Amino acid sequence: ETGVTQSPTHLIKTRGQQVTLRCSSQSGHNTVSWYQQALGQGPQFIFQYYREEENGRGNFPPRFSGLQFPNYSSELNVNALELDDSALYLCASRDTGGGTEAFFGQGTRLTVV
Amino acid sequence: AQSVTQLDSQVPVFEEAPVELRCNYSSSVSVYLFWYVQYPNQGLQLLLKYLSGSTLVKGINGFEAEFNKSQTSFHLRKPSVHISDTAEYFCAVSDGGYNKLIFGAGTRLAVHP
Repeated sequence: ETGVTQSPTHLIKTRGQQVTLRCSSQSGHNTVSWYQQALGQGPQFIFQYYREEENGRGNFPPRFSGLQFPNYSSELNVNALELDDSALYLCASRDTGGGTEAFFGQGTRLTVV
Repeated sequence: AQSVTQLDSQVPVFEEAPVELRCNYSSSVSVYLFWYVQYPNQGLQLLLKYLSGSTLVKGINGFEAEFNKSQTSFHLRKPSVHISDTAEYFCAVSDGGYNKLIFGAGTRLAVHP
């Protein structure tokens, strides 16, 4: 049990729709990262938030956006869903930078049809 | 740019046999190295990490890894595997900047009785 919870666990959306995925980090963890894991691949870094500000972004288009809240919760929003957005979305939290352990949630499985 | 290569997509092994999962990385800066395990329908769990110091790192569940800077490798080993070790294993690197993790494609370890 990592203390990081994600909701929902599974989700089916239609192409073109918008989706919001949620993550509740461990208490005290001020950094949250989001990853996309396509089937049969390793996780790919989407972006990271530190104290409610985005401080790093991977190679994902602007229709992927996020928010981090003071209560250690965060959101990943994806607009104009495409079929290739179907994946497992993972959030990970940590308390500081510098190589400390990232604690992952169990993920949200998004299917776009 | 950093990258991680996991040399084997699948490793079949019999129970109680030793196993080595291979990982090579490329980076122009000092790195932190990690091995994560993912069980079906779950998130990622940290097995072990190398930040600095001794090149032989011991982790949970009897796993260990050796950092080899000259060969840019971080291979994972276990002297005797169990059925319960069947899972997907991911090697990851972080540059300690804003600490995004770059993952390899994963190695599927299948332990047979």
